[in-house]
Amino acid sequence: AQSVSQHNHHVILSEAASLELGCNYSYGGTVNLFWYVQYPGQHLQLLLKYFSGDPLVKGIKGFEAEFIKSKFSFNLRKPSVQWSDTAEYFCAVTHASGGSYIPTFGRGTSLIVHP
Amino acid sequence: EAQVTQNPRYLITVTGKKLTVTCSQNMNHEYMSWYRQDPGLGLRQIYYSMNVEVTDKGDVPEGYKVSRKEKRNFPLILESPSPNQTSLYFCASRTGADTQYFGPGTRLTVL
Repeated sequence: AQSVSQHNHHVILSEAASLELGCNYSYGGTVNLFWYVQYPGQHLQLLLKYFSGDPLVKGIKGFEAEFIKSKFSFNLRKPSVQWSDTAEYFCAVTHASGGSYIPTFGRGTSLIVHP
Repeated sequence: EAQVTQNPRYLITVTGKKLTVTCSQNMNHEYMSWYRQDPGLGLRQIYYSMNVEVTDKGDVPEGYKVSRKEKRNFPLILESPSPNQTSLYFCASRTGADTQYFGPGTRLTVL
């Protein structure tokens, strides 16, 4: 079965610090890659996604992610975090299986940004 | 406005009392899913549906039922809830392998 690993479970940063959250997946075939964000008390919403093309993807609020196929990784980055980035971040991978598309989520990374 | 709605948003019940959480989407998506979110475990898929009358088990289906009689609706049924089903539940819909759109969540407490 496919798995998605997020290496950092809890990250605490000060405002203006740089952020990198790791995400690795196990599936060897074609995948679609996503980062979702969940602000406190809210539902998940899309931050960015990668299907094909340029492996450096830019999302909302200054976030970007790089797909490195050889490393099965899709790490999320932001050069300078803000207090409002405090949230939980989920990496997700969707792959085709038996005629359907199966999404798998990582366990999430809780980010706290101190003002 | 494109959205996924869930009801109720909060529910406190007792062990063994059957309950249904409704989910509806207005985007004509063929895929719909139910997830539960627990601290430290992230999101785990309970059931998903690829289209009307087509459903399949996710990672944690035990104790849950679903049905997909109409494309827009995908209710989650707990026939005999137990305390270990206390969790935050999200419904989501999507087209194929594309972005999932999540509902606002249902916080369920089973006493």
